[in-house]
Amino acid sequence: GENVEQHPSTLSVQEGDSAVIKCTYSDSASNYFPWYKQELGKRPQLIIDIRSNVGEKKDQRIAVTLNKTAKHFSLHITETQPEDSAVYFCAAYGNQFYFGTGTSLTVIP
Amino acid sequence: GAVVSQHPSRVICKSGTSVKIECRSLDFQATTMFWYRQFPKQSLMLMATSNEGSKATYEQGVEKDKFLINHASLTLSTLTVTSAHPEDSSFYICSARSGQGHGELFFGEGSRLTVL
Repeated sequence: GENVEQHPSTLSVQEGDSAVIKCTYSDSASNYFPWYKQELGKRPQLIIDIRSNVGEKKDQRIAVTLNKTAKHFSLHITETQPEDSAVYFCAAYGNQFYFGTGTSLTVIP
Repeated sequence: GAVVSQHPSRVICKSGTSVKIECRSLDFQATTMFWYRQFPKQSLMLMATSNEGSKATYEQGVEKDKFLINHASLTLSTLTVTSAHPEDSSFYICSARSGQGHGELFFGEGSRLTVL
């Protein structure tokens, strides 16, 4: 089955700086890679996703890149704000969703 | 985006009792729903895949007699924790995949179960 690894597990940045979270996957058949943001005690919310036929996607301060050859994809958050503080999960989908272990992001004001 | 509603959001029960959690897709039909368990500061652990009109598919290590799943309609799946014990205390989240757009996965609000 698929194996999704996510790094780092915790990340602290100063407000205004950029944050990068990286994930790798093992199954070359995976073709859809969403990223979720989960605030404490709340449901995961889809923030951005990318499909295997695209290398990069951007939505305002958030961007995702995908390297199919290396089987890794990354989340980039620019100009971070305190409200970006949350746990972020990557996922890979082939025939079902497999989640990374999560990254706890803290943005220091 | 699509809406998935989960109820109850919090439940406290005595050891030995059973608890039912509902997951509804409010504005789309979901032939498949997923149930996850999440421990504090950890990732989502897939428990089972709920299939409308057929038996659920359980992940390895998940007791099917302990966690009963019923997917009786295209908009409702239920998870029943039978004979609950304190170690079953956890955050349970359901999700469903929308058939529209790119088939994104949407999550319910989650249910915090505390077994005394």
